[in-house]
Amino acid sequence: GENVEQHPSTLSVQEGDSAVIKCTYSDSASNYFPWYKQELGKRPQLIIDIRSNVGEKKDQRIAVTLNKTAKHFSLHITETQPEDSAVYFCAAREQAGTALIFGKGTTLSVSS
Amino acid sequence: GAGVSQSPSNKVTEKGKDVELRCDPISGHTALYWYRQSLGQGLEFLIYFQGNSAPDKSGLPSDRFSAERTGGSVSTLTIQRTQQEDSAVYLCASSATSGADTQYFGPGTRLTVL
Repeated sequence: GENVEQHPSTLSVQEGDSAVIKCTYSDSASNYFPWYKQELGKRPQLIIDIRSNVGEKKDQRIAVTLNKTAKHFSLHITETQPEDSAVYFCAAREQAGTALIFGKGTTLSVSS
Repeated sequence: GAGVSQSPSNKVTEKGKDVELRCDPISGHTALYWYRQSLGQGLEFLIYFQGNSAPDKSGLPSDRFSAERTGGSVSTLTIQRTQQEDSAVYLCASSATSGADTQYFGPGTRLTVL
């Protein structure tokens, strides 16, 4: 089955800096890769996702890149703000209608 | 419209007791997922329902865990003879169809087994 590794487990940046979180997956059949943001005590919220037929996707300050050959994908947050502080989870899915397999999360702290 | 809801929000129980956790998916969503989030860990898949098909139970950690989905809507996750290691946040998610990518999460039930 699929296995997702996520690094780093914690990341501290200054406001305005960029933050990058990386994930690797094991199953080359996986075709959907979402990123969720979870604030303390809240539910995970989808912030961006990418499908295997696309190499990069951007939404304002957030971008995700996918390297299918190397089986890794990354989340990039530019111009970080204190409200970006949260736990970020990457996930992979083998095929439509199956469960997401999550990484263990990255705690991002943005200090002003 | 209303999002995914779960009840109770918090549940404290004694070791050995049974508990039931409830999930109300988004109206019209046919796919429903249960995940478990232990402290400092990622989300661990438990079970998946799609319409009237047999559920995918491959993530259930032991036979003490079971789930039902009645009428293709509300789901109940039951944990029998709870153990301290069952303490976690149990999250439910739904998606529009089996082919839909986006899963929408509920707020979770925090289970504490004393």
